[in-house]
Amino acid sequence: DADVTQTPRNRITKTGKRIMLECSQTKGHDRMYWYRQDPGLGLRLIYYSFDVKDINKGEISDGYSVSRQAQAKFSLSLESAIPNQTALYFCATSSTYGEQYFGPGTRLTVT
Amino acid sequence: AQKITQTQPGMFVQEKEAVTLDCTYDTSDPSYGLFWYKQPSSGEMIFLIYQGSYDQQNATEGRYSLNFQKARKSANLVISASQLGDSAMYFCAMRENSGYSTLTFGKGTMLLVSP
Repeated sequence: DADVTQTPRNRITKTGKRIMLECSQTKGHDRMYWYRQDPGLGLRLIYYSFDVKDINKGEISDGYSVSRQAQAKFSLSLESAIPNQTALYFCATSSTYGEQYFGPGTRLTVT
Repeated sequence: AQKITQTQPGMFVQEKEAVTLDCTYDTSDPSYGLFWYKQPSSGEMIFLIYQGSYDQQNATEGRYSLNFQKARKSANLVISASQLGDSAMYFCAMRENSGYSTLTFGKGTMLLVSP
């Protein structure tokens, strides 16, 4: 089984809808992250959490919110989706100084 | 200023040849780490190699090595004996170890390996 799983893998939604992307990990890491990837822009950090009670905004948090339900679960919500949130979304996890392990990604399209 | 700069949007190499993908970084933190990730067309992000700022030796992992030149703030990825399966997007990233240590990614280099 994969160490980091993301659901759904693909999602098409309409402008104004609320959508939640879910992430689970079995690595036992405290740190979890959400990124979005747009062509030509690399990966940009949306939110990160260093433990269950710690939530921090990243570079591009506007329009997003997160919830850390447990050490292993970190979900990303788009309260009112807009077309420029169409992107590939990655969840990742890491130990304090280790490399980040990424989930397979969620391809989100907002029409 | 960008913290990670990858100046090569695309690179071409023939199979079995070596290729160097460039990465320069900007930080005033004395303790940091540099990472390279591979993203094939299937989309997943695969960790390749890590170099710590205090490491004396250049990191190596199989056919991957990191040419770390601290004074020049460069951390180039060298892939020896390229294979067709190396065709992918490659990202350089840095973690500054002070404060909240998250990864900052470059914009990536697309590598195409031809037969």
